[in-house]
Amino acid sequence: GAVVSQHPSWVICKSGTSVKIECRSLDFQATTMFWYRQFPKQSLMLMATSNEGSKATYEQGVEKDKFPINHASLTLSTLTVTSAHPEDSSFYICSAQTGTSSGANVLTFGAGSRLTVL
Amino acid sequence: KQEVTQIPAALSVPEGENLVLNCSFTDSAIYNLQWFRQDPGKGLTSLLLIQSSQREQTSGRLNASLDKSSGRSTLYIAASQPGDSATYLCAPTGNQFYFGTGTSLTVIP
Repeated sequence: GAVVSQHPSWVICKSGTSVKIECRSLDFQATTMFWYRQFPKQSLMLMATSNEGSKATYEQGVEKDKFPINHASLTLSTLTVTSAHPEDSSFYICSAQTGTSSGANVLTFGAGSRLTVL
Repeated sequence: KQEVTQIPAALSVPEGENLVLNCSFTDSAIYNLQWFRQDPGKGLTSLLLIQSSQREQTSGRLNASLDKSSGRSTLYIAASQPGDSATYLCAPTGNQFYFGTGTSLTVIP
């Protein structure tokens, strides 16, 4: 089945640094990838929708300059947390939209990346 | 915007019990609905996918139903086991994906 690889699985950084999180579809091409953030004991919150070759669409309250997304190929989307602060500490999860034999879209998720900003 | 509600928010049952998780959504214009499982600190695992034209799907001890017109889906877990303890999320899928708040399930040995 479809596999999405996310890297790194966890990262600790100092406040003010930038962190890149990669999301790769390993055995399929994903024209659309989604980035989610999950704070402790809360549900997943969609941050942005990333389409290959075009600008990402951000949800309300998510700053594109703070979380730029690069989706330059059909198998790789990269989320950057710029000038990270402790409040950015969270679990970041990506997912890729795939198709089924019936043509409907389903989601395949990466394992997530836990970011801790000191 | 799709609003997804899951009830109950938390559930604790003794091992062996059958249980039902509920999911309601406001926009019935969906292509399909997926149920996911999330273990603490981990990503999501897809459990079941129901196409909008289907009424239910079964996988092992799991059975999911969908009533698109009323905006409801249920996940039935038979003969629950401690390994079923996790958070269960439903995601009705239209042009975008939205998640419910999840049901945290604890199965007590």
